[in-house]
Amino acid sequence: DVKVTQSSRYLVKRTGEKVFLECVQDMDHENMFWYRQDPGLGLRLIYFSYDVKMKEKGDIPEGYSVSREKKERFSLILESASTNQTSMYLCASRPIGQSSYGYTFGSGTRLTVV
Amino acid sequence: EDQVTQSPEALRLQEGESSSLNCSYTVSGLRGLFWYRQDPGKGPEFLFTLYSAGEEKEKERLKATLTKKESFLHITAPKPEDSATYLCAYSGGYQKVTFGTGTKLQVIP
Repeated sequence: DVKVTQSSRYLVKRTGEKVFLECVQDMDHENMFWYRQDPGLGLRLIYFSYDVKMKEKGDIPEGYSVSREKKERFSLILESASTNQTSMYLCASRPIGQSSYGYTFGSGTRLTVV
Repeated sequence: EDQVTQSPEALRLQEGESSSLNCSYTVSGLRGLFWYRQDPGKGPEFLFTLYSAGEEKEKERLKATLTKKESFLHITAPKPEDSATYLCAYSGGYQKVTFGTGTKLQVIP
């Protein structure tokens, strides 16, 4: 069964820490995405990548960076965690050239910054 | 600004009581209207894509329809296992997918 795997389901970090969220997909998809989901705000796009070493900012990139060294892996980095980054983080993937194709999402990482 | 609005925010149904969820959108160029199901503590699961007004798609007790300004997710004779949050989203262009905030459905036995 094809899937998107996020390395942690729950994380608790302290303010100011550098945080890495990892995502791996086994579907050979070119496009990968990071969203955060907050009550009342829905899913908001942080960054996406359409190829290895390529990235583009989404709607809310401030305070985040990403890394894609291999096709199957897309990492989200919180450079200096803050309490307003407490959220559910969702990774997704989709094949290239399929802008009307549904995403495959991971199970999410619930991050709490204290 | 492109927007998608879902209603109601929450819906409670008795098992077998059919109903519809609404997703209305304002967008300059629709390339796809998506429906997802999300269970608590999990990522969304893709259900349907609709491309043009008049299109319909079905899966078990769910049927999605699309007009020029809104989409409906019809749930026929729901069961408790249909309880989840249902999200709609639209694609307005290159990698631009906008999600609604969802309808939380509870089906009571």
